Amino acid sequence: EAGVTQFPSHSVIEKGQTVTLRCDPISGHDNLYWYRRVMGKEIKFLLHFVKESKQDESGMPNNRFLAERTGGTYSTLKVQPAELEDSGVYFCASSQLQGIPYEQYFGPGTRLTVT
Amino acid sequence: QKEVEQDPGPLSVPEGAIVSLNCTYSNSAFQYFMWYRQYSRKGPELLMYTYSSGNKEDGRFTAQVDKSSKYISLFIRDSQPSDSATYLCAMRETSGSRLTFGEGTQLTVNP
Repeated sequence: EAGVTQFPSHSVIEKGQTVTLRCDPISGHDNLYWYRRVMGKEIKFLLHFVKESKQDESGMPNNRFLAERTGGTYSTLKVQPAELEDSGVYFCASSQLQGIPYEQYFGPGTRLTVT
Repeated sequence: QKEVEQDPGPLSVPEGAIVSLNCTYSNSAFQYFMWYRQYSRKGPELLMYTYSSGNKEDGRFTAQVDKSSKYISLFIRDSQPSDSATYLCAMRETSGSRLTFGEGTQLTVNP
C-alpha cells in the first residue's frame, strides 16, 4: 500500500512569489492534515480536512495560506505571497475515520525555503 | 509557554544502553499520548500510543504516562544503532484530532 506522498520534496522561491504544495493521502483515508515545522521549533498543526470539508483550520497562520481538497482526494496548500518566515518543512498526514486514536500517517514533507 | 515541553538533546548513548526520553505538558485535556520516530528526511512514524495513564510495552519499547504529574516517558531497552533518530512526543485531546508535538529529541546510538 502506498503511503502519503508529497510534492515537491523541496522548493526554493523568492519572497513575494507563490508556491503550491501537494499531498496525496493514503487511499481511503478521509482525514487529511497539514502540519508545519519551522527551524528550531516543534511541528505545529495547520488544518484538518474531513473529505473535502475543512474541519479545523485554526492553525493556519494568516490569509496568505490557502488549502483545498477537491473531491476529497488530494490536497494543495498554496502560499501567496510567500514571506521569509514561511520557510520550513510542511508535512501532510492522513488517517481513517474509524479507529482509535485515528493513527495519522505522515508524508516525507516538503522543505520550503523562501529567500 | 509551550503546551508540550521536550528536551531537544542531542542525546548520545552506546549500543545496548537503556534510553529514557521524556515530555511534560500543561493541557489537562490531553488524553492520547504518542511517540513518533523520525529518521532524517522522512516523515514522523508512529511508534507507540497510550490512552490516559499507565504503561504500555512493545518489544524493546515501553511508554509510560503519569497524568497526575503531566509527564510521559519512552524507554528503549538494548538500544541499537538503528534506533538513531529524532523521537517526538505528541498528544491529543479526546475531542478533535489535531496533534500537539514536542520539539523532538535527537538520539544517536553509537556502535
